Amino acid sequence: DAMVIQNPRYQVTQFGKPVTLSCSQTLNHNVMYWYQQKSSQAPKLLFHYYDKDFNNEADTPDNFQSRRPNTSFCFLDIRSPGLGDAAMYLCATSAAQGYGYTFGSGTRLTVV
Amino acid sequence: GNSVTQMEGPVTLSEEAFLTINCTYTATGYPSLFWYVQYPGEGLQLLLKATKADDKGSNKGFEATYRKETTSFHLEKGSVQVSDSAVYFCALSDNSSNTGKLIFGQGTTLQVKP
Repeated sequence: DAMVIQNPRYQVTQFGKPVTLSCSQTLNHNVMYWYQQKSSQAPKLLFHYYDKDFNNEADTPDNFQSRRPNTSFCFLDIRSPGLGDAAMYLCATSAAQGYGYTFGSGTRLTVV
Repeated sequence: GNSVTQMEGPVTLSEEAFLTINCTYTATGYPSLFWYVQYPGEGLQLLLKATKADDKGSNKGFEATYRKETTSFHLEKGSVQVSDSAVYFCALSDNSSNTGKLIFGQGTTLQVKP
């Protein structure tokens, strides 16, 4: 089945130690998104790629970076995780506007 | 700017009760509207959508109608089950850009008791 896969499901990292979360898709969608969702809150868009074009949200901290080496893969890099970065990170893809997203199962990040 | 407002939860119902979760939106242009459901520890799943005024989205007994005159997209189900317990997010797609990024409401927790 075509899908969006996030690895790992659970990630524990140390305060200040760089961490990378990965997302892959078999849908061949042009657009890939990264959202941050803190407990009991709505998902917050961090950035997205339209093909190779990177689009950062204005309020996304510089600590968060992303890479998309090809259509199938997208990575979220947190350069120096703080305790406040503990959250569920959701990857999603979309073929085009108005069609909605397909979400992965998320990676829950714990910072110790 | 575009925004989505949902009724606050948690909403607690008995099994087989009627469900309404209110959602209103503010948008320029003609957004597409969505309901997503999130079960504990999981990502979001698309429940239903509507892409133009007066469209009705439906899935698994849930329905929502795109009402442009009241800028609303309320979620309804005639008879809820315990398995419907989850967090429900209303969202709109910003169709002013070619990426159609989603803007979410704050989510409404539904608890269904046997």
